[in-house]
Amino acid sequence: GEDVEQSLFLSVREGDSSVINCTYTDSSSTYLYWYKQEPGAGLQLLTYIFSNMDMKQDQRLTVLLNKKDKHLSLRIADTQTGDSAIYFCAESILGSGTYKYIFGTGTRLKVLA
Amino acid sequence: GAGVSQSPSNKVTEKGKDVELRCDPISGHTALYWYRQSLGQGLEFLIYFQGNSAPDKSGLPSDRFSAERTGGSVSTLTIQRTQQEDSAVYLCASSLNQEHGYTFGSGTRLTVV
Repeated sequence: GEDVEQSLFLSVREGDSSVINCTYTDSSSTYLYWYKQEPGAGLQLLTYIFSNMDMKQDQRLTVLLNKKDKHLSLRIADTQTGDSAIYFCAESILGSGTYKYIFGTGTRLKVLA
Repeated sequence: GAGVSQSPSNKVTEKGKDVELRCDPISGHTALYWYRQSLGQGLEFLIYFQGNSAPDKSGLPSDRFSAERTGGSVSTLTIQRTQQEDSAVYLCASSLNQEHGYTFGSGTRLTVV
């Protein structure tokens, strides 16, 4: 089946690194994504990784993909209070000839000053 | 426009009334998606449109929900005979291709009283 799981909450101190984890079940995923949702706003694409990569770095963000374990993580270095938000991981899978996106439940990151 | 536009941003309606939610995707994006986000919950897939293909309606929770996309652009999500459990934020997103993921609108917050 298609399922994406995340822990619901994460709390870190300002300046520390945050690591948000995600597991997925469908091995046919082609791309995996991280989205950020700030209070009262829609979702914003943060970064993505192609399924044949195991790491991608973009400024303070590092995405690690372990395809064997179907595990995706997002590391935010030097976490700031502005990083407080809900973070969703998502995978794109091929179904019925077109791509469909499956989202996790989101991880609420709280950054303590 | 530059982003995905949804209207109205907020809607309060009485139980039993019909509502229409509108989504204007990014010009040229062939894929359009509707999701629902209930308070404290993750994203629930509702329906998606890809070009001229038949829409994937597998996520619609009941036959009170329907959606159409006219001319491959604007989409309307209609909820008939609204119930209190329909209260949620309804998010629309459009996509050009897999690599770029989705671009989300800011959502319509529906409250059924």
